[in-house]
Amino acid sequence: NAGVTQTPKFQVLKTGQSMTLQCAQDMNHNSMYWYRQDPGMGLRLIYYSASEGTTDKGEVPNGYNVSRLNKREFSLRLESAAPSQTSVYFCASRARLAGYNEQFFGPGTRLTVL
Amino acid sequence: QQPVQSPQAVILREGEDAVINCSSSKALYSVHWYRQKHGEAPVFLMILLKGGEQKGHDKISASFNEKKQQSSLYLTASQLSYSGTYFCGTQNAGNMLTFGGGTRLMVKP
Repeated sequence: NAGVTQTPKFQVLKTGQSMTLQCAQDMNHNSMYWYRQDPGMGLRLIYYSASEGTTDKGEVPNGYNVSRLNKREFSLRLESAAPSQTSVYFCASRARLAGYNEQFFGPGTRLTVL
Repeated sequence: QQPVQSPQAVILREGEDAVINCSSSKALYSVHWYRQKHGEAPVFLMILLKGGEQKGHDKISASFNEKKQQSSLYLTASQLSYSGTYFCGTQNAGNMLTFGGGTRLMVKP
């Protein structure tokens, strides 16, 4: 099992460019999440998907869109990148939203917007 | 709303103990603890679901005071491998898991 995988690992964009961050999990989890982590800071939730076919906003959704393509895949799109979106992006998955089950994180995508 | 962690940073010698606290302004359903090494993804440590519940493995344990809306992580007889940033994540009646700002722990020989 690969767990949670993310592509790409690194990306440099110019202001105004768009890109999509890909995330996939092979654990048959229902819930998936996108977080951003700024240097020396905690994790802030951007969007999450409780189950296939649903998505909801987290704490910092502005400037992002998401798609839950199927049960395995959850993508994050930046339509017009801004320097304030320079961050490390983590995707995570969890068997279900509540209860005694841990959240697994992917290795992260390091994004720089110039 | 983001839970508050304290202290923000702590330096220990091998073998010393540490306590990391996590407080929320909202009623909590569960508390999660994660450790993150530099440049890596957060790794799960434990979940606490009920008030007063204590969990632990090896020399790392945690408690959850539901009434005070607080959780504490206890690291005893610290090892070099314990170094990293510790995050608590709190889940209330909503569906989101909200993380604190982190506590940076450095264990020196």
